Amino acid sequence: NAGVMQNPRHLVRRRGQEARLRCSPMKGHSHVYWYRQLPEEGLKFMVYLQKENIIDESGMPKERFSAEFPKEGPSILRIQQVVRGDSAAYFCASSPGSRGEAFFGQGTRLTVV
Amino acid sequence: AQRVTQPEKLLSVFKGAPVELKCNYSYSGSPELFWYVQYSRQRLQLLLRHISRESIKGFTADLNKGETSFHLKKPFAQEEDSAMYYCALAYNQGGKLIFGQGTELSVKP
Repeated sequence: NAGVMQNPRHLVRRRGQEARLRCSPMKGHSHVYWYRQLPEEGLKFMVYLQKENIIDESGMPKERFSAEFPKEGPSILRIQQVVRGDSAAYFCASSPGSRGEAFFGQGTRLTVV
Repeated sequence: AQRVTQPEKLLSVFKGAPVELKCNYSYSGSPELFWYVQYSRQRLQLLLRHISRESIKGFTADLNKGETSFHLKKPFAQEEDSAMYYCALAYNQGGKLIFGQGTELSVKP
């Protein structure tokens, strides 16, 4: 089991472009969580998804950010019209159920120039 | 509001010395608390959780509800313990975590 896979590891975008971050959960895991880590801060919860459903998006900014976890394929975190303040490390975690241990990916470091 | 506080950004100790990484939480319900560790260039991984009451790599942590603390301790630090340590609180759903700011532990030879 390769673990939670995130790609790309590093992503550079110009202001106004779109960023797409991908997360493939561990085999058998149907619960996915996205976290954001701004410089000098801890990880902050963004969104919790189960296959084809958003369970909790209380940590997602209201505009420009969206997430999906389709029936087939990886979970996608999409940031439209990126701004410098979006520069951060974005981590994905997966778990087999809602109460199971969460396993983390290595993160995607987004830099907006 | 739920909150996790790790007051020390950096903790530096010598090899063989005891180490304690502090974690305080704010939560009105029954908390489920974790310590995660991130070694250099590796992914975040679970070190221990309070409900299992186990010792991993010599580390232990006891939940003190009176002091709302979950400090991580090890009696004799090793150089390979150098890493970032994050205290985290789970509520409502097990995978949704509130993290502290993290403490960088540096163990010097």
